[in-house]
Amino acid sequence: KQEVTQIPAALSVPEGENLVLNCSFTDSAIYNLQWFRQDPGKGLTSLLLIQSSQREQTSGRLNASLDKSSGRSTLYIAASQPGDSATYLCAGGGNTGKLIFGQGTTLQVKP
Amino acid sequence: AAGVIQSPRHLIKEKRETATLKCYPIPRHDTVYWYQQGPGQDPQFLISFYEKMQSDKGSIPDRFSAQQFSDYHSELNMSSLELGDSALYFCASSLEQGASSYEQYFGPGTRLTVT
Repeated sequence: KQEVTQIPAALSVPEGENLVLNCSFTDSAIYNLQWFRQDPGKGLTSLLLIQSSQREQTSGRLNASLDKSSGRSTLYIAASQPGDSATYLCAGGGNTGKLIFGQGTTLQVKP
Repeated sequence: AAGVIQSPRHLIKEKRETATLKCYPIPRHDTVYWYQQGPGQDPQFLISFYEKMQSDKGSIPDRFSAQQFSDYHSELNMSSLELGDSALYFCASSLEQGASSYEQYFGPGTRLTVT
């Protein structure tokens, strides 16, 4: 059974800092890993999707990596901005497409 | 670009009542997923449909049922509502399951409050 864990649960950084969010999963037979952003009380915005055959994906200031052998994924945010403040969720996708989510990392970027 | 549409956005029901949540996927998406997110919790997978057939089932109570229609929209029916059913219900859609990409696009959610 797939379990997804995110560390840390919360993170506070000053504006401009580069940061890394961590995600670990127990079942290496994932089909993909997806990173989402969620603002309080709002929906989920897909940030990056990494297929199981890929090692990383980049979008703007975001870079996500996937290491199936170690069961880990990281989301790197460069030059953080106050607008990046949100909860970031990673989710592992199985062969039917269903996503198993981690508990999320709540990020606060201070001006 | 068109997104996933969910209705209603907010719903208040009393215990033991029924509720129906609707989801309209992105055009050409034929797979729909339902998730439940309780207060302070991560989203939990409920059920999914591909080409109008149930493709996977998660921790969905027997009081809940769902289906996908010929136009690919989906409905989640919830009966005998309990206080613990209060949550944000998300629908997500993606292209066919057989494809290599299962990137899911989420709707804004329906906030259900049971009193």
